[in-house]
Amino acid sequence: QLQRQAAGPGLLKPSETLTLTCTVSGGSISTSGYYWGWIRQSPGHGLEWIGSIFYRGSIYYNPSLKSRVTMSVDASKNQFSLRLRSVTATDTAVYFCARHVGNLPTSHFDFWAPGTLVTVSS
Amino acid sequence: DIVMTQSPDSLAVSLGERATINCESSESVLHTSSNKHYVAWFQQKPGQPPKLLIYWASTRESGVPDRFTGSGSGTHFTLTINGLQAEDVAVYYCQQYFYTPLTFGGGTKVEIK
Repeated sequence: QLQRQAAGPGLLKPSETLTLTCTVSGGSISTSGYYWGWIRQSPGHGLEWIGSIFYRGSIYYNPSLKSRVTMSVDASKNQFSLRLRSVTATDTAVYFCARHVGNLPTSHFDFWAPGTLVTVSS
Repeated sequence: DIVMTQSPDSLAVSLGERATINCESSESVLHTSSNKHYVAWFQQKPGQPPKLLIYWASTRESGVPDRFTGSGSGTHFTLTINGLQAEDVAVYYCQQYFYTPLTFGGGTKVEIK
């Protein structure tokens, strides 16, 4: 199970940093066999994969966002997080965290947490 | 990037009838050594996250009704809903997980005629 937990406001101004945290419940994030990912959805871009992380630190980012994205894992809190810097209106979207079944990000998502709407507006 | 192209954008089907959704990948998503196609299908209802229906192009996720069937090979994949039920009204997405960046189709909205 995944519970999404938005850290910070759902409304951001351009140039600010978006921060979201996802909490894993019912199991350990430090379990081999799972990657943890972030995906966003907007009318303009549909479903867009942002990146995925393994608890040991292997991270894969979408090249289209790589220069602005940082993902991390806090195993002590059973959480993984997303930071997206220098946001603009085009980053307005519903953000989802999800679990991959596999030891690589090239594996299917089997569970998604409810999304968080993030709006970027001045 | 692998582009996933879905068709149609929307379709209306009578209750109990068949709905067919197509998805084409811009290049092969077949892992030759395992003979598996790295394609998943999701169902999304308003206000909810996507729900996994099918993975490896044709393996039904646990708990998914058997009226949902995934098929295809090469670059052409299909999701079939046999005997459409009212609760199947949703948007359906295909996704490839063969290469990063992982990519999704644009979605197909299924409605009741």
